[in-house]
Amino acid sequence: NAGVTQTPKFQVLKTGQSMTLQCAQDMNHEYMSWYRQDPGMGLRLIHYSVGAGITDQGEVPNGYNVSRSTTEDFPLRLLSAAPSQTSVYFCASSLGLAADTQYFGPGTRLTVL
Amino acid sequence: GQSLEQPSEVTAVEGAIVQINCTYQTSGFYGLSWYQQHDGGAPTFLSYNALDGLEETGRFSSFLSRSDSYGYLLLQELQMKDSASYFCAVLNNAGNMLTFGGGTRLMVKP
Repeated sequence: NAGVTQTPKFQVLKTGQSMTLQCAQDMNHEYMSWYRQDPGMGLRLIHYSVGAGITDQGEVPNGYNVSRSTTEDFPLRLLSAAPSQTSVYFCASSLGLAADTQYFGPGTRLTVL
Repeated sequence: GQSLEQPSEVTAVEGAIVQINCTYQTSGFYGLSWYQQHDGGAPTFLSYNALDGLEETGRFSSFLSRSDSYGYLLLQELQMKDSASYFCAVLNNAGNMLTFGGGTRLMVKP
């Protein structure tokens, strides 16, 4: 049981490039979410999904897209990277809604030059 | 929207008790969660309060007063490994979005 996995662990992009951050969980969790954490700050919700085929916006969705074609996977796409998107990105999952224990992945450290 | 306030830093000695407060202003409220994060690591769940009162889990306890929009995390018998950042997070009334506070950095000294 691997829990929540994220790839890559580190990534450097140039302004304007696009990329996809991968997130997968093997716990059959319905709820998945993406957060960003800037240095010395709390986590801010980007997008979330309450089940396969259902996604919704969080607090800071601009510049990011998500899809949920399977229960296991929840990729986050950066459409055109900007320096303001330099951050650590965490994926999380829980059995039901966000009230349940959130299990976080190890994070992806993204730098946009 | 939601806003949360917690102290930015707290220092305590090993073996002591420390309380980390969290006040919140929300447009809708379902419950209050607490997460721990060590430097360079991922957040891990500590506790969740949906009703007023105290929830105890080992050395950690969490309290909620819905009428005061206030909660706290109580850490007893502090250990060096408790040095970490602690985040309170409010769950909206639909139960589908968590809003995190800015975090409290706890330093435990020998």
